Amino acid sequence: AQSVTQLDSQVPVFEEAPVELRCNYSSSVSVYLFWYVQYPNQGLQLLLKYLSGSTLVKGINGFEAEFNKSQTSFHLRKPSVHISDTAEYFCAVSGLSGGYNKLIFGAGTRLAVHP
Amino acid sequence: DARVTQTPRDKVTEMGQEVTMRCQPILGHNTVFWYRQTMMQGLELLAYFRNRAPLDDSGMPKDRFSAEMPDATLATLKIQPSEPRDSAVYFCASGLYRGGNTEAFFGQGTRLTVV
Repeated sequence: AQSVTQLDSQVPVFEEAPVELRCNYSSSVSVYLFWYVQYPNQGLQLLLKYLSGSTLVKGINGFEAEFNKSQTSFHLRKPSVHISDTAEYFCAVSGLSGGYNKLIFGAGTRLAVHP
Repeated sequence: DARVTQTPRDKVTEMGQEVTMRCQPILGHNTVFWYRQTMMQGLELLAYFRNRAPLDDSGMPKDRFSAEMPDATLATLKIQPSEPRDSAVYFCASGLYRGGNTEAFFGQGTRLTVV
């Protein structure tokens, strides 16, 4: 079975500062990794995904993430955040589990960008 | 602009009543997920379907919850009888399974309040 751990429940940061949201996963099989963003009273929106190939993945809104197989991590980064990036961010893993293909989410990290 | 449509957006009901939540997946998607989101538990996978067949509903309380896909354009999640602890936001997501991964597109959610 696979699982996802988001190491920080909340991350406060000032506008225009860089940010990193951490995600670690565990799985006994190959995985696919995703980051989603959720704005208040909205559904989840895909930011970026890692399926294969280059370990550095670029997504929407200036976000990027790096897949590190040896550390089983998929941390999300942005070099300069905006107020509008304030939201909840979810890391997710998809992989064979019990013969099927579940999409499992971490507990989420609330990013709060302050002026 | 293809999107997952969930109805109703908000539902307030009394304990003991039946609740039905509906989801229209994106046309052409072959996988449907149901998630429940609460502050305490985060995003929990309740059930998921592929090609309208239930693959896994181990996350769903079987005594009161049921999920079905009567056709490719409709997925339903029913709670009977509802209880206050069922209060949560329920998300439906659809995706196209290919090559071992499924990228999920989320609806706006149904906010359920059981009083």
